[in-house]
Amino acid sequence: DAGITQSPRHKVTETGTPVTLRCHQTENHRYMYWYRQDPGHGLRLIHYSYGVKDTDKGEVSDGYSVSRSKTEDFLLTLESATSSQTSVYFCAISDPGGKSTGELFFGEGSRLTVL
Amino acid sequence: AQSVTQLDSQVPVFEEAPVELRCNYSSSVSVYLFWYVQYPNQGLQLLLKYLSGSTLVKSINGFEAEFNKSQTSFHLRKPSVHISDTAEYFCAVSDKSGGGADGLTFGKGTHLIIQP
Repeated sequence: DAGITQSPRHKVTETGTPVTLRCHQTENHRYMYWYRQDPGHGLRLIHYSYGVKDTDKGEVSDGYSVSRSKTEDFLLTLESATSSQTSVYFCAISDPGGKSTGELFFGEGSRLTVL
Repeated sequence: AQSVTQLDSQVPVFEEAPVELRCNYSSSVSVYLFWYVQYPNQGLQLLLKYLSGSTLVKSINGFEAEFNKSQTSFHLRKPSVHISDTAEYFCAVSDKSGGGADGLTFGKGTHLIIQP
């Protein structure tokens, strides 16, 4: 199994509060991703990173920011959580070294409930 | 940009019966294709992938998928399902020309329900 740890695994918070989810990898993979999973929508890309301090937006980036100060850590921040951000958040990694195919390795997920 | 359509949100099937989960994709470029499986309260695990070569790819637990370029499909099949196959299955694509750097595009998933 890929060494990917997400924290916290479960969080309940109130509307308007800031929330930070952490993804930590031990694989030294260059690329990291944050997806959200919602019933009827599958997985949708929020943000991704292709190296330290290099990030880009995905399909559903509004209301989210990310930071990557070290290869192994990728943080997802909700500056002011809303009920529409209640979801399960997955971190994924990939290693584009050589002939990359886009194959992703996933963490166990972080379930966020915004009341 | 790519898109993935999984036509069935839920597929009930009896144990030991065959099953097919359908996946169609849309892309203006060549793609790599993947099937992931998600068991309850877990992350996604790669089930199988098509990169190049033989259009029929197989997993270690009896699933197979066939890439059909003319129909832009990558349907997943298993000749005889087991209760332990109950899970959510996701089809995904990545853009070959981009090297997969900007992530995978996923379908909405198909919930496979095995009935005893």
